[in-house]
Amino acid sequence: GAVVSQHPSRVICKSGTSVKIECRSLDFQATTMFWYRQFPKKSLMLMATSNEGSKATYEQGVEKDKFLINHASLTLSTLTVTSAHPEDSSFYICSARKTGGGEAFFGQGTRLTVV
Amino acid sequence: AQSVTQLDSQVPVFEEAPVELRCNYSSSVSVYLFWYVQYPNQGLQLLLKYLSGSTLVESINGFEAEFNKSQTSFHLRKPSVHISDTAEYFCAVSALSGNTPLVFGKGTRLSVIA
Repeated sequence: GAVVSQHPSRVICKSGTSVKIECRSLDFQATTMFWYRQFPKKSLMLMATSNEGSKATYEQGVEKDKFLINHASLTLSTLTVTSAHPEDSSFYICSARKTGGGEAFFGQGTRLTVV
Repeated sequence: AQSVTQLDSQVPVFEEAPVELRCNYSSSVSVYLFWYVQYPNQGLQLLLKYLSGSTLVESINGFEAEFNKSQTSFHLRKPSVHISDTAEYFCAVSALSGNTPLVFGKGTRLSVIA
């Protein structure tokens, strides 16, 4: 099946710094990718929809200036957490669907810890 | 818009016993339905999906789910669980277009007891 690769799997950063997370579709082109955030023992909360070549669409309550999304190619979307704070610590997961629909393929997730 | 309700947040069950994880959805349009499994500190893995055709879908590891349109349900079942089935299970729904995200339920923690 299709593969979505997310990197890094785990990152620890100091408060005030920025962290970039990459999401790649390895064997298919994804015009749209999705970024989710998962709190401990909670479901996945959609943060934003990343569109290749255009601005991302953010869900209500998600700060677009804090969570910068760039979808520069058909196989790569990045999420940058800017000026990270401890409350940004979470598990971030990206996903992509093929253009024709069907299942979503998920990256391995990134565990972000801000200290 | 779509929504998903997983009625049980935790389901403990003894090894080799049957289990059912419940999922109900709401949508004003036709949808795809999915069950994903998540192990600790990992991403989500597709367990099974309903896209069209037969309403009973099966996975390779013994799980099955049945799409019931009249009851707007997609319950997950397994006749005999193993310790290795212990995980978080998420039901999800999406519109048919590939450009729409999946909407997830809150998840059900399945704990298999030896």
